[in-house]
Amino acid sequence: ILNVEQSPQSLHVQEGDSTNFTCSFPSSNFYALHWYRWETAKSPEALFVMTLNGDEKKKGRISATLNTKEGYSYLYIKGSQPEDSATYLCAPNTDSWGKLQFGAGTQVVVTP
Amino acid sequence: EAQVTQNPRYLITVTGKKLTVTCSQNMNHEYMSWYRQDPGLGLRQIYYSMNVEVTDKGDVPEGYKVSRKEKRNFPLILESPSPNQTSLYFCASRISGTDTQYFGPGTRLTVL
Repeated sequence: ILNVEQSPQSLHVQEGDSTNFTCSFPSSNFYALHWYRWETAKSPEALFVMTLNGDEKKKGRISATLNTKEGYSYLYIKGSQPEDSATYLCAPNTDSWGKLQFGAGTQVVVTP
Repeated sequence: EAQVTQNPRYLITVTGKKLTVTCSQNMNHEYMSWYRQDPGLGLRQIYYSMNVEVTDKGDVPEGYKVSRKEKRNFPLILESPSPNQTSLYFCASRISGTDTQYFGPGTRLTVL
C-alpha cells in the first residue's frame, strides 16, 4: 500500500481568496496522478489526470501541477467561491493495471 | 445517462446478518471496484474486477466477498457483518486502459 499524504487535512478560505494544497506520493513506478473532487452527499468526480513531470492542468478556476521526480502535486483554487467547498482527493497509480491509491483528502470550506 | 448505481443507499443492520450491496453500471466498463471510506482515511479498495468472472482482492478484503457474473453488475457481499464494517461504501467503474473512475452515489452502512 502506497503512502499518499495530503496536506493540510482541512482549510477554511474566505470567498475570493486563492488557496493551494499538496499531495505527496512515492515517486518510483509512477504512471499517473489523479485529482478528484468530492462534495458532501455526492460521489467523487474526476478533476484531472496528469502523467508527465511538469504537467499543468486547468479547469476553470482550479488548476494543478505535477512533479513526478520529487513526488508531489499542487492543486490551486483561484478566487475561491462557496461552490468550491468540497474534499479534494489525490490518487496516484503506480501499476500498469491502473489501481489508484487515494490520499485522505483536503477538505476545503469557503465562507462568504 | 451514463451512471453507476448502488443499492441500498442507506442500511442499518445487526451483527451477523448477511447482506448484499448491489452495484450496476451502464457504460460497458470492464473494470469495477469497491471502496470503503472511513474518517481520516482515504478511499481503500476492497475488491476489484477486471472483467466477467475475474475478481481479485484489494487492500482491505477481509470480511467481504464479490462476484462478477455479468459485465454490468458487481455486488458486494458481507456474509457476517461486524461493527467494524460500518462505513461508507463506493462502487466505481472504468474502461480498461484508462484510469479515470466513475463512482456510484455511495452506500452508508451501519452494523450494530
